[in-house]
Amino acid sequence: AQKVTQAQTEISVVEKEDVTLDCVYETRDTTYYLFWYKQPPSGELVFLIRRNSFDEQNEISGRYSWNFQKSTSSFNFTITASQVVDSAVYFCAHSSASKIIFGSGTRLSIRP
Amino acid sequence: DSGVTQTPKHLITATGQRVTLRCSPRSGDLSVYWYQQSLDQGLQFLIQYYNGEERAKGNILERFSAQQFPDLHSELNLSSLELGDSALYFCASSAPSLRAGGTGDTQYFGPGTRLTVL
Repeated sequence: AQKVTQAQTEISVVEKEDVTLDCVYETRDTTYYLFWYKQPPSGELVFLIRRNSFDEQNEISGRYSWNFQKSTSSFNFTITASQVVDSAVYFCAHSSASKIIFGSGTRLSIRP
Repeated sequence: DSGVTQTPKHLITATGQRVTLRCSPRSGDLSVYWYQQSLDQGLQFLIQYYNGEERAKGNILERFSAQQFPDLHSELNLSSLELGDSALYFCASSAPSLRAGGTGDTQYFGPGTRLTVL
């Protein structure tokens, strides 16, 4: 069965520090998708990225970057030069066939 | 603003009651997904509809049901409510895809309906 583990329950860093959020998944499927979502204090879920299992290229979007490694079943998310607005709960998710599983989330606090 | 709307924003009701949550997807999106977010269970996928038909089912209780109407809006019906059903219920939608609506499509979430069962 699929499983998504976000071992870091809470992370607190000072503004401008870089921070990496870990995501490890378990799956028996060869075709699957991985996602990251952000949930700011206001509560809505904001889509950040989707990767499919055949595309291991790392992705960079501004201060955000993602490192997908099938060999370690990981899809880690790095925020460079963090800002207070990055404070939120971040969820990693795995989808295959007709099922999507979310990790338990990492609460990120950026201190000014 | 994702373009997905949900009503009501808040709902307070009593145990044993029945409620209906409503979701309007983004214009053009054919898939609607429902999720439950609670403190103890986290974020859980409940059910997906694609163009009016049930496409995928997650951890949805038998007391819960959903449907998608011809205008593509969706309703989630929760009945015989229990205290443990108190949660934030999200709806999401995704655009039509070649895969005809798999859970791998990028989903855009609505603001959620916070249900409190007293």
